[in-house]
Amino acid sequence: QVQLVESGGGLVKPGGSLRLSCAAPGLTFSDYYMNWIRQTPGKGLEWLAYISTSATTIWYADSVKGRFTISRDNAKNSLYLQMNSLRAEDTAVYYCAPSEARVKYYMDVWGKGITVTVSS
Amino acid sequence: EIVLTQSPATLSLSPGEKATLSCRASQSVSSYLAWYQQTPGQAPRLLIYDASTRATGTPARFSGSGSGTDFTLTISSLEPEDFAVYYCQQRSNWPRTFGQGTKVEIK
Repeated sequence: QVQLVESGGGLVKPGGSLRLSCAAPGLTFSDYYMNWIRQTPGKGLEWLAYISTSATTIWYADSVKGRFTISRDNAKNSLYLQMNSLRAEDTAVYYCAPSEARVKYYMDVWGKGITVTVSS
Repeated sequence: EIVLTQSPATLSLSPGEKATLSCRASQSVSSYLAWYQQTPGQAPRLLIYDASTRATGTPARFSGSGSGTDFTLTISSLEPEDFAVYYCQQRSNWPRTFGQGTKVEIK
């Protein structure tokens, strides 16, 4: 079973920056399209960003476009989310998940999530 | 952006009862719709994809139907572990979007 481990979360002031990482040990990472999704406290899920295997195709939700940047390092089996100009409403649990061909590019494997808190 | 509207927001049922959850899309998503289950403190779990295909490990009591703009997740007979929040998600268009969720709670 594929495992994903998010890291880099924490407390940051409004306007600040944070870089999340997602490690995928044991996964042939370069074969997978990857996503970031978040869940705000007590609320639902919000898809944030997608990156193709070679990073040639990237998509963002409007809510983070221009502030967040998704990237990947296939040599390090890692996915990243650079978050700038953070706002209180970015406070959430952030998940990484691959879009897998075996389930028609839906998200069948999720990390445990990492908490980001934006507060002064 | 495709908006997914789930109803009802909360469904209060007893174990053994049938649950019917709805997801309506603001425009056609063909059959590119999935259902996820989330229990407290856990990541979402993929239950159904392409509207009606059960993911590996999804019990047969879960079934999905629909196409275009109207979709249904049915749980034929609720087990204690089925009381959770259920989300639909479309992969027809970018950005990908989720519904706001339906909570199935014990009556």
